[in-house]
This record gives sequence, C-alpha cells and structure tokens, in this order.
Amino acid sequence: NAGVTQTPKFRVLKTGQSMTLLCAQDMNHEYMYWYRQDPGMGLRLIHYSVGEGTTAKGEVPDGYNVSRLKKQNFLLGLESAAPSQTSVYFCASSWEGVDTQYFGPGTRLTVL
Amino acid sequence: AQKVTQAQTEISVVEKEDVTLDCVYETRDTTYYLFWYKQPPSGELVFLIRRNSFDEQNEISGRYSWNFQKSTSSFNFTITASQVVDSAVYFCALSEASDDYKLSFGAGTTVTVRA
Repeated sequence: NAGVTQTPKFRVLKTGQSMTLLCAQDMNHEYMYWYRQDPGMGLRLIHYSVGEGTTAKGEVPDGYNVSRLKKQNFLLGLESAAPSQTSVYFCASSWEGVDTQYFGPGTRLTVL
Repeated sequence: AQKVTQAQTEISVVEKEDVTLDCVYETRDTTYYLFWYKQPPSGELVFLIRRNSFDEQNEISGRYSWNFQKSTSSFNFTITASQVVDSAVYFCALSEASDDYKLSFGAGTTVTVRA
C-alpha cells in the first residue's frame, strides 16, 4: 500500500496563478484533511471531508477550495495564489474522525 | 486560544542523553485524544502514539516513553539514550469530541542530537 500520496512535491507559482494539489489514499479511509505548516506554528487545518462528496471548513479556509468527488481523492485548489500561501501543505486521512490520522509526504509551495 | 502548548522550542543534547519534551493541553471535554508525531529532516509526519483521556497509564515503546497526567493536563514524551536519528521536530496534538475530533497541533519542539 502506498498510504497517502501527494502531487506535486514542489511547486513555484506567481501571485495570481491558480493550481490544484492532489491527495490520494489507498486505505479506504472515510475522512481526509488538508493542513498547512508554517514555521513556529505547527499544522493548521484548512479543510476536511468526512466522506465522498462532503467538505467542511477548518481553521484557515480562506483562499482555498476543496473537492472530494471520489472517496480516495481530496483536491485542494488555490484560485488566485498569494505570497501568504507560501507553505508546506500536508494531506492526511483516517477511518473515522476519532481515529489516528496518517499523513502524506507534503507539498512545498512557494508563491512569488 | 492555543489548545496545545509545547513550551520548548528547541532542545539540543549529546547522544545517549535522555530528553523530555513537554506538552500541556487545554480542554473542557471529558473525551479526548492526545497524539505525538515526529517530523524528521526529510519532512514527513510519522505517527508515534495515540492516547485516550480515559487511559492514564504510562506507555513505553523501546526508547520512547510517555507520561500522561490529567491532573496537570500534560502528556510528556521522553526519549531515553537519545541517538542522532532522533533528531526531528516533535509535535503534540489534541483531538476533542466537541470539535469532531479535529487535530489541534502544538507549535512543535525541535530536537537536535549531537554525536
């Protein structure tokens, strides 16, 4: 099993550009999450999904959109990237909300 | 308000020394879970332990041990006889029933083990 995978691993954008980050999991988990990690701040939840076709806002949702069209995939979109969105993005998944979350390898995004 | 506080930003030790990482949490829930994750220099997040609020028994796994004390709202992590491979950022996290078990992370503690 690959576990949780993220595409791409690195990306550089210019301000105003858009992009989509893909998260895929092969563990048949119901719950999926997107976090961002910034220096000295730990991880903060952007959006999450409790099942196929559902999405919900986390702590820092502004500037991001998500979609969960298939159970195994969770997409994170930036419609108009800003330098403040420079960060490392992590995807995670779990069986249920109460269960342990397992993380992908991360995507390092730089917005110039 | 910060739900999880890791007061130690950085800790540096010499190999074979013991190191204890502090984690203090804040919750009004009676049902909650506490976690520790390790982030080595390669960047991935590795799950170490999950502990529920009803189980205060301390746990040992090899050189790792965890001390959970509800009376002081702490869930501290000790690495015994540290090794260079233990160098990483360690995160403590809390999930609460009242918050749909979403994870709240502390800011992390960077541990550097020198040979």
